[in-house]
Amino acid sequence: LAKTTQPISMDSYEGQEVNITCSHNNIATNDYITWYQQFPSQGPRFIIQGYKTKVTNEVASLFIPADRKSSTLSLPRVSLSDTAVYYCLVGEAGNQFYFGTGTSLTVIP
Amino acid sequence: DVKVTQSSRYLVKRTGEKVFLECVQDMDHENMFWYRQDPGLGLRLIYFSYDVKMKEKGDIPEGYSVSREKKERFSLILESASTNQTSMYLCARRASYEQYFGPGTRLTVT
Repeated sequence: LAKTTQPISMDSYEGQEVNITCSHNNIATNDYITWYQQFPSQGPRFIIQGYKTKVTNEVASLFIPADRKSSTLSLPRVSLSDTAVYYCLVGEAGNQFYFGTGTSLTVIP
Repeated sequence: DVKVTQSSRYLVKRTGEKVFLECVQDMDHENMFWYRQDPGLGLRLIYFSYDVKMKEKGDIPEGYSVSREKKERFSLILESASTNQTSMYLCARRASYEQYFGPGTRLTVT
């Protein structure tokens, strides 16, 4: 079960771009990289998923280098409502995932 | 809109009581999960199920059991509640790589 390493916490001012990097040195060939967001008193919710290179959706971008041993979640122009915990997971579709402790992002006005 | 519902948002039980936490999904997905979340420890997997009557232990199954008699329902059972099981319990179902979580049950064992 591949585990990940993320910073424990980050602070950012409103309107800035935030990049959260995740390390997953033991990622397997069939593993995908998935990011979740969790607000207080709620369950995590899916943000974005990718296998290699770059993926973008209406919420975020995900950058994955060629060796896939790390990935970076990019949140453009964050607002106060982006204050949350962000989790990076790796795994295959049919297996369970390791959530870990995530990165607590605080957006400052 | 995907729905995962949990029977209670808040629950207070006494030490030694048998506790049932119910989770119901509205889709026909096989994979369902129970996690607990504690400050500083993140989400930890207790049990998961790939189909009816099938269950697999997660990272911290001790003190818990589960039941999956119907595909839409996955129950977490605390046979004899203890104070160290005071926590937020989250149920999820999965479609491919995306997990959908319920609102959580905050259980307090006194």
